[in-house]
Amino acid sequence: SYELTQPPSVSVSPGQTASITCSGDKLGDKYVCWYQQRPGQSPVLVIYQNIKRPSGIPERFSGSNSENTATLTIRGTQAIDEADYFCQAWDSSTLIFGGGTRLTVL
Amino acid sequence: QVQLQESGPGLVRPSETLSLTCTVSGASINSLYWSWIRQPPGKGLEWIGYIYYSGSTTYNPSLRSRVSLSVDRSKNQFSLKVRSVTAADTAIYFCARENRDRAFDIWGRGTLVTVSS
Repeated sequence: SYELTQPPSVSVSPGQTASITCSGDKLGDKYVCWYQQRPGQSPVLVIYQNIKRPSGIPERFSGSNSENTATLTIRGTQAIDEADYFCQAWDSSTLIFGGGTRLTVL
Repeated sequence: QVQLQESGPGLVRPSETLSLTCTVSGASINSLYWSWIRQPPGKGLEWIGYIYYSGSTTYNPSLRSRVSLSVDRSKNQFSLKVRSVTAADTAIYFCARENRDRAFDIWGRGTLVTVSS
């Protein structure tokens, strides 16, 4: 079965750039979404179709997807960005989530 | 504004059937896809399946034998049943709307279902 692999944790200093990766076989051929989940809350869509931001999502969030890796980049990271981030893609008719990455803003 | 609200029992006995309903407000259920997603406490997300307003369904292969989704257009609701539950089915269950870009843009708040005797 298809798998999406994320690092369990990423740390970043306030104001710096955070990069969270999501790896899968030929992932670049698929559309990837990213969700942010703060503790005790529902996930929020922050990137869809690899690079698009929903309305209301700050410009500091961006995405890319090439070959086997999709990346969520957060520039000028703020304390409020501390959360779990999940990537998601479709493999045939099955929706797959990555295991999630805990972003810590130190 | 579109809102989704899950409802159903918070406690289910092992081997019994888990039943949840998602009520959609602020939009008609007569379009797009409507999904159930679950999250065991402290763990990641698992997609359960989706239903189209017409009633057609697609399920996660890992759960297909125990899961069924249904839609009630008159009530603007869709529902989930998971049969023969075990402790491994203990999770927060979310309902979510999948938009035309195949992304989950609206989520319910989630409801915790515990499987225990």
